[in-house]
Amino acid sequence: NAGVMQNPRHLVRRRGQEARLRCSPMKGHSHVYWYRQLPEEGLKFMVYLQKENIIDESGMPKERFSAEFPKEGPSILRIQQVVRGDSAAYFCASSPYRTSGSNEQFFGPGTRLTVL
Amino acid sequence: DQQVKQNSPSLSVQEGRISILNCDYTNSMFDYFLWYKKYPAEGPTFLISISSIKDKNEDGRFTVFLNKSAKHLSLHIVPSQPGDSAVYFCATINTGNQFYFGTGTSLTVIP
Repeated sequence: NAGVMQNPRHLVRRRGQEARLRCSPMKGHSHVYWYRQLPEEGLKFMVYLQKENIIDESGMPKERFSAEFPKEGPSILRIQQVVRGDSAAYFCASSPYRTSGSNEQFFGPGTRLTVL
Repeated sequence: DQQVKQNSPSLSVQEGRISILNCDYTNSMFDYFLWYKKYPAEGPTFLISISSIKDKNEDGRFTVFLNKSAKHLSLHIVPSQPGDSAVYFCATINTGNQFYFGTGTSLTVIP
């Protein structure tokens, strides 16, 4: 019963390159959330997806960032033309559909992106 | 537009004493609240939750209090232990299954 998996755990990119972060939700979970934690800051919501749908992307920067959660395979957070300010820890979380009772999100270990 | 606010970025407490972490929210329609704990280089882990039909939920050393009229919740840890040193996030969920997290409070328990 694997938890939320993220890979890679550490990613180093040079300015202008592309970064792809992957997230496999817990088995049976159809909701995926991406968060970013900048150095010395809290957890900031980026995007909320269900299979093949973006539900809420209000936390996503307008340019260079995109996310998808295809019918098959992991959710992908893609950052094009990375800049140093993109250096952060990116966390993915998953949840089943909300029902009465336990409603917590389960987090992955995160991907630490370093832009040189 | 921060839906959930944690106004204290850090808190230091002596071992054995009580730690009180505070959280305010803006929307009275929120009806379920959660606390997460995060260690460095790890993902947040769920700690405790409370539904708006209650004003208190207790789990061992951890108790969450909810004051709906003030739109305020707090997490009490007693007695505090050095292993409790971590960043604590409060969160809520709306009817659309969207989560909102606070910015976190870094707790340091001093031995």
